[in-house]
Amino acid sequence: QKEVEQNSGPLSVPEGAIASLNCTYSDRGSQSFFWYRQYSGKSPELIMSIYSNGDKEDGRFTAQLNKASQYVSLLIRDSQPSDSATYLCAVKKNTGNQFYFGTGTSLTVIP
Amino acid sequence: DGGITQSPKYLFRKEGQNVTLSCEQNLNHDAMYWYRQDPGQGLRLIYYSQIVNDFQKGDIAEGYSVSREKKESFPLTVTSAQKNPTAFYLCATKGQGSGANVLTFGAGSRLTVL
Repeated sequence: QKEVEQNSGPLSVPEGAIASLNCTYSDRGSQSFFWYRQYSGKSPELIMSIYSNGDKEDGRFTAQLNKASQYVSLLIRDSQPSDSATYLCAVKKNTGNQFYFGTGTSLTVIP
Repeated sequence: DGGITQSPKYLFRKEGQNVTLSCEQNLNHDAMYWYRQDPGQGLRLIYYSQIVNDFQKGDIAEGYSVSREKKESFPLTVTSAQKNPTAFYLCATKGQGSGANVLTFGAGSRLTVL
């Protein structure tokens, strides 16, 4: 069983719509959760981190965490063509310093 | 100008050759990581180091070696034992303390075996 699983997509949404990206993880001991954005040919950049159950909002981005269901999601409101990228979900367990990544979801925002 | 510098950005290697990828950081971060990314796949951990002169194998360490002689530097050697080394290699660091529990990535090095 993979540590982190994402729907690889691709996901296409029209400009201005809400994009919803999902991620599940296998270890209930995980405590830290991250969403990274990766443009083609570039390195990942951090968008959001979330550590507690519930929602965390930052501009057009909202991360949602449900530890009971072992589920993390990222909502992108008012999607823009510049949001077109691969989104990587990452999880860090409570012990140790290893981060585990999903395979990423490719998002295309259509103008 | 703080950050993580990876070099070279692009590297071509003939089969049977060892190559070393450089990763230097001036963020004063203790932990450093090497990940490999193949097309359509996520990041897979090769090695990581939490302090100078100490490092641990990740999930795909075979065919790779590292050293951590200085806090600022964590070079990765791709040896001839690595059977399929063509990939995008990413170096990352993590700071200390509860407010720095995130990975920061360098720009990456793309290795192609001819």
